[in-house]
Amino acid sequence: EVQLVESGGGLVKPGGSLRLSCAASGLTFTSAWMTWVRQAPGKGLEWVGRIKSKTDDGTTAYAAPVKDRFTISRDDSKSTLYLQMNSLKTEDTAVYYCTTESFEFWGRGTLVTVSS
Amino acid sequence: DIQMTQSPSTLAASVGDRVTITCRASQDIRNDLAWYQQKPGKAPNLLIYKASSLESGVPSSFSGSGSGTEFTLTISSLQPDDFATYFCQHYNSFPYTFGQGTKLEIK
Repeated sequence: EVQLVESGGGLVKPGGSLRLSCAASGLTFTSAWMTWVRQAPGKGLEWVGRIKSKTDDGTTAYAAPVKDRFTISRDDSKSTLYLQMNSLKTEDTAVYYCTTESFEFWGRGTLVTVSS
Repeated sequence: DIQMTQSPSTLAASVGDRVTITCRASQDIRNDLAWYQQKPGKAPNLLIYKASSLESGVPSSFSGSGSGTEFTLTISSLQPDDFATYFCQHYNSFPYTFGQGTKLEIK
């Protein structure tokens, strides 16, 4: 059974940083392309970015609102996906989900609140 | 960016009804479209991919159709568990974008 478990969310002040983690199990993580999606409270879904597997060059792609502030990375030895979030803004407040590139498996999400 | 427009935003229906939700893309996305169901406090659940392929484990009462810019999700006979919010999403090019959602309510 595939499981994705996000962690690292919390309350942070505008301009601050936070790193989210997504621990994966039940899938061959080394070959998985992974994605982050977020959902602001009471709003719709927003694609954040994606990372390819290292065997497929490991490159990343980001949505415009987070480009140059967020960084997606992975540690295949730990089967863990990361989202480093810098220069956080109030509009980054959302539940952050990790998902496989095919979007068939999702974690439960972790809430990030950016507020002074 | 490709914009995805869903309609209606809200739909009231009864158990046993047949309902259709529409999603329109601002440009041709071939059949690079998925549909999701989301319940409050839960992650989205993939229903349909490639516009018309049913995800494993999803009831056959769900079906998708369309290509290019016009797509539909149909639920042939509503069950109590189907009342939720539905989103379409394209994955044709970056950034992948979602429709704004359709909330399916009990009439």
